[in-house]
Formats: sequence, C-alpha cells, structure tokens
Amino acid sequence: SQQGEEDPQALSIQEGENATMNCSYKTSINNLQWYRQNSGRGLVHLILIRSNEREKHSGRLRVTLDTSKKSSSLLITASRAADTASYFCALAFGGSNYKLTFGKGTLLTVNP
Amino acid sequence: NAGVTQTPKFRVLKTGQSMTLLCAQDMNHEYMYWYRQDPGMGLRLIHYSVGEGTTAKGEVPDGYNVSRLKKQNFLLGLESAAPSQTSVYFCASNNPAPGYTFGSGTRLTVV
Repeated sequence: SQQGEEDPQALSIQEGENATMNCSYKTSINNLQWYRQNSGRGLVHLILIRSNEREKHSGRLRVTLDTSKKSSSLLITASRAADTASYFCALAFGGSNYKLTFGKGTLLTVNP
Repeated sequence: NAGVTQTPKFRVLKTGQSMTLLCAQDMNHEYMYWYRQDPGMGLRLIHYSVGEGTTAKGEVPDGYNVSRLKKQNFLLGLESAAPSQTSVYFCASNNPAPGYTFGSGTRLTVV
C-alpha cells in the first residue's frame, strides 16, 4: 500500500503535555502533509513538508521528516482540550505533488 | 468567503436509487477531489479533476461518475446506489499547493 500509516492509532494525554504522533510510509514522496479533523467535520490542513526539508514549525506544531527512514512525526506542544481531534498524514508521491493519499489517522484526546 | 460547500449534508437512499452530490468552491481553485471516509479506512480518493472539463479516476472509482462542467463545481453521481456506498463523502480543492481545503462532508446512508 502507498498509504501512510499513523502510529499510535489513539493517544490520550493531559492538557499541557506534548503529543507526538508518527507517520511511516513505503514509497518515495514529493511532500507530506498533516491534517486535523474534529469530530463530524471536514479536514483542516495544518502543515506541509517537502521531501528536501527536515523540519518545519507552525505555532505549537513541529513536523520532522526523515526520508531515509521513510517517516515523519508531528509534535503538538503544550496541548489544549481544543486539540482533541483525529490527525492524518497525507502523502504526495510519484509524478504528482497534488494528489494525496491519506493514512487512517491518530485519534488524540486531550483531557482538561 | 464560503470556501468549499457540499450539498446535501445528509441523505438516505434506497438501494438502486440515484443521486448527485454537489461540491462548489469560491476560491478559483483549479484542482478538485472527491474522497470517501469509512471507519478504519481513512480517506480514499474516488475521482479528481485538474481543471474545468477534466476528470480522472482515483483509488475507488467504481459505481461513481463525476463531471466538472464549470471550474467552481465538481459533481459526484451515484447511478444505482448500493449499501457498500454508505459513507461520508468529502470534497476538497487546491491550486495545487500548499494544501487542500475540505468541505464539511455529506453523510450518505444506502438502505
């Protein structure tokens, strides 16, 4: 499968703690993106990292990419109850940098 | 600025009935996509379009047809609905980078 695989499937933490979720994949990629989905809503784009980048930051989000290990991690620092959502990694690979394949997601629960 | 609007939000169909899901975007995006989301399966690409008048098959196109007659609209049709098509359908668009803008989804149940 060319789908990214998120790990863990579910994560429960306390407010203020950091949350780390990982995405592994099997094929070379053009870019990797992370999305958030609140229950019953559409997905929201969080951050994109290109294959020649190793780390990107956006507010409380930090994404790393290790192309040699074919893996990425999303770190959410100082989590809040409002961060409770499912998080998906999405891969652009092959001749396309726009068509995305989504993983099955990590369900993050932040307890107040 | 509405972004991506999907209609309807909910629908119940009987097996064999047909319907069309409408996706409209007001961002002048070139690329549009239809995904379905099922429990434990993530999102799977049904069809996509890279511009007005173009369509292409995604990962799970069987049982669906699409049309992109106007740049801002992308229609997903089910000619003869089956229970296996019970799902949540999401439309998305982009231009093409940096990321997708998603609609809020259509929850379809086929009985």
